[in-house]
Amino acid sequence: DTGVSQNPRHKITKRGQNVTFRCDPISEHNRLYWYRQTLGQGPEFLTYFQNEAQLEKSRLLSDRFSAERPKGSFSTLEIQRTEQGDSAMYLCASSLLPAQETQYFGPGTRLLVL
Amino acid sequence: GNSVTQMEGPVTLSEEAFLTINCTYTATGYPSLFWYVQYPGEGLQLLLKATKADDKGSNKGFEATYRKETTSFHLEKGSVQVSDSAVYFCASPQRRDDKIIFGKGTRLHILP
Repeated sequence: DTGVSQNPRHKITKRGQNVTFRCDPISEHNRLYWYRQTLGQGPEFLTYFQNEAQLEKSRLLSDRFSAERPKGSFSTLEIQRTEQGDSAMYLCASSLLPAQETQYFGPGTRLLVL
Repeated sequence: GNSVTQMEGPVTLSEEAFLTINCTYTATGYPSLFWYVQYPGEGLQLLLKATKADDKGSNKGFEATYRKETTSFHLEKGSVQVSDSAVYFCASPQRRDDKIIFGKGTRLHILP
């Protein structure tokens, strides 16, 4: 069990550029979640997958955001035409249902849009 | 859906002081309750949890009791250390086996 990993850890980009983040969950975890955390706030839910199926998307997830989990293992989160308001920490978590509901978080990807 | 409200920080204490961080919840039914901790520069770690009323979660000297009478899950530690300096989040699933709803976090500073 190597834990949840995320890459890159930091990303600086210019407004209007596209960025993609990757999350590798704990192996065999069937649930994968994406959250966003801005300074001084708690994480806010964006979307989640059960295996390869995307089951729910938050209203926070505008049409510039897309997430995939093509083989039910790793997941990618892409932001197109980034805006300064997208600057945040993007967190990934995984869990194994129905055996346990605890979500295990990765270290996050910090995005800064200039 | 469920929600959690926690006391705002920052909270500054001297080493070996007693700590309480308040958290209250609103929910239909009795969802699990969590405390997560975020150390500087790191991701979220589960600190402790309680899955039903009257349960007590504990870890690393921290404790929290799930109290349905007061809809609370306050975090306590009898003697804090400098290494406890972090941001603490109270959290609960929106529904069973669902996404987690977090409080805004309480930043804790422990002075030597």
